[in-house]
Amino acid sequence: SQQGEEDPQALSIQEGENATMNCSYKTSINNLQWYRQNSGRGLVHLILIRSNEREKHSGRLRVTLDTSKKSSSLLITASRAADTASYFCATYQGGSEKLVFGKGTKLTVNP
Amino acid sequence: DADVTQTPRNRITKTGKRIMLECSQTKGHDRMYWYRQDPGLGLRLIYYSFDVKDINKGEISDGYSVSRQAQAKFSLSLESAIPNQTALYFCATKEAGTTDTQYFGPGTRLTVL
Repeated sequence: SQQGEEDPQALSIQEGENATMNCSYKTSINNLQWYRQNSGRGLVHLILIRSNEREKHSGRLRVTLDTSKKSSSLLITASRAADTASYFCATYQGGSEKLVFGKGTKLTVNP
Repeated sequence: DADVTQTPRNRITKTGKRIMLECSQTKGHDRMYWYRQDPGLGLRLIYYSFDVKDINKGEISDGYSVSRQAQAKFSLSLESAIPNQTALYFCATKEAGTTDTQYFGPGTRLTVL
């Protein structure tokens, strides 16, 4: 079963614009993670936000977490063509060590 | 060198054939995972292993088996491949006892004709 669900499923923007992706989850979590996948390649970990954190930054990435709404957002500022990829949120199911992924948001950044 | 490697990277096989996908890691992690990715469905957990003697079924284990030959090696087998097992397969590792980052291999693209 999917723990996280991303929204939108697909997003197309111009280079230089900001991209925002949202994730909702169902159960309590210790942390929420975002991963990036370039087409047909392996997943790369981007950022982890813990349940007691509300916002976290890493370079052009900004992640927020609202545990009361069971939701998170990933903002990529000043997007580049190289940011074109699929982005997945993931959480550990019920405190277990099994990571559960959403279906992903496919981001296209047009030059 | 990559921390998590998978072989083969691509494989085309026929229905009924036995296939083994291999994963090796140099991160020294106890936890290893096999996932399957289908278009539009994200990643789904097939099997996971906490250590050499501890193997567990994931969400979609039917039709698959695994072997943890050593801390660094975790293999996934399809005993009799069928077309709906055509997918992208990923191995991942993680430190024991944490709910932190998983480190993924580059994936194996398997096509069953």
